[in-house]
Amino acid sequence: KQEVTQIPAALSVPEGENLVLNCSFTDSAIYNLQWFRQDPGKGLTSLLLIQSSQREQTSGRLNASLDKSSGRSTLYIAASQPGDSATYLCAVRRLEEETSGSRLTFGEGTQLTVNP
Amino acid sequence: ETGVTQTPRHLVMGMTNKKSLKCEQHLGHNAMYWYKQSAKKPLELMFVYNFKEQTENNSVPSRFSPECPNSSHLFLHLHTLQPEDSALYLCASSQPNAGTSGNTGELFFGEGSRLTVL
Repeated sequence: KQEVTQIPAALSVPEGENLVLNCSFTDSAIYNLQWFRQDPGKGLTSLLLIQSSQREQTSGRLNASLDKSSGRSTLYIAASQPGDSATYLCAVRRLEEETSGSRLTFGEGTQLTVNP
Repeated sequence: ETGVTQTPRHLVMGMTNKKSLKCEQHLGHNAMYWYKQSAKKPLELMFVYNFKEQTENNSVPSRFSPECPNSSHLFLHLHTLQPEDSALYLCASSQPNAGTSGNTGELFFGEGSRLTVL
């Protein structure tokens, strides 16, 4: 059974700092990995998706890396801003041959606070 | 409208009430999902629909009854719920059959319906 762990559970940093959020997973047979952002009481916004054959994806100040063999992904946020304050979740997708579908397993998230 | 829209955003109901949550997506997707998000717990997949057919029921109690009349709409009918069912219920959509024809299966979520059961 796939398990996804995110460390730290909470992180507080001053504005302008570069930071790294970590995601680890136990089963390396993944199809892709998706990072989401969730503001309090809101839904999830997709940030980046990395295919298993890729090493990293970038979008603006965000960079996500993937090391499938070691079961790890990191989300790097450059020059953090107060507006980046949110919970960040990672989810790994495995293809389910028996159903021709896919299963997405979520971590519990890292709650980020960027202080002005 | 664009994206995934959920209504109502907030719902308070008693244990004997019957209510429904609605989800509509304008992304042209053919797969829709219900997730439950409780405090301090990872997201829990409840139901999956592909092309209007239910393909997954993740051992959800029968007091939750999903309905998918077409690929753009998904409902969650609620009946005789328990206080522990209070949570944020999230709808999502994607193209089905990730891994085929370059489909990544990327999920797009609605804003959620915050349910409180008294």
